[in-house]
Amino acid sequence: GAGVSQSPSNKVTEKGKDVELRCDPISGHTALYWYRQSLGQGLEFLIYFQGNSAPDKSGLPSDRFSAERTGGSVSTLTIQRTQQEDSAVYLCASNPTGAKGSPLHFGNGTRLTVT
Amino acid sequence: QKEVEQDPGPLSVPEGAIVSLNCTYSNSAFQYFMWYRQYSRKGPELLMYTYSSGNKEDGRFTAQVDKSSKYISLFIRDSQPSDSATYLCAMSANFGNEKLTFGTGTRLTIIP
Repeated sequence: GAGVSQSPSNKVTEKGKDVELRCDPISGHTALYWYRQSLGQGLEFLIYFQGNSAPDKSGLPSDRFSAERTGGSVSTLTIQRTQQEDSAVYLCASNPTGAKGSPLHFGNGTRLTVT
Repeated sequence: QKEVEQDPGPLSVPEGAIVSLNCTYSNSAFQYFMWYRQYSRKGPELLMYTYSSGNKEDGRFTAQVDKSSKYISLFIRDSQPSDSATYLCAMSANFGNEKLTFGTGTRLTIIP
């Protein structure tokens, strides 16, 4: 079946511009996560959705970052007024609700470069 | 100090060798321990997970957890060139629907 789909796969933007990253989770997966992977930094948690609500958004680095999820499915991560330090791979993952022991299924990420 | 420490490598070993990958952690609340494999330009995929202390074996892969030492390991036997990837340890206090704390990843190359 289809896995987690992310678009675009690559995005180059100028400093100060806004960007939107999209995640389409596996059908039926109600939990959705955004992570950021920077060189040498590992995966950094950004935000977690359960359905359309975000019970944990503690990892969002600043108020320039926001995310939403609609219809319990697609999620968008928006970065406003991008900075060079925002350059990273943004990964989305999903898993079924309440399924203890269910692994996170990751997409292949969006590679963001801010010039 | 990071909650999870992992040697970034790179680590190069000849084909057929036994590979040992390790992580240490500081948060005693962690109970679930995972190893993810990530190929270049791909998302991480789960290899193994273990709960609390002990060993778990799956084919050529063995995961070990020593909670008393806050130390986890992944062993790969009879390593193959297809095992060349970045290996990330991850852990959480619960499993499923909770954020994972990841190590930085170890880049492994198996030399044919």
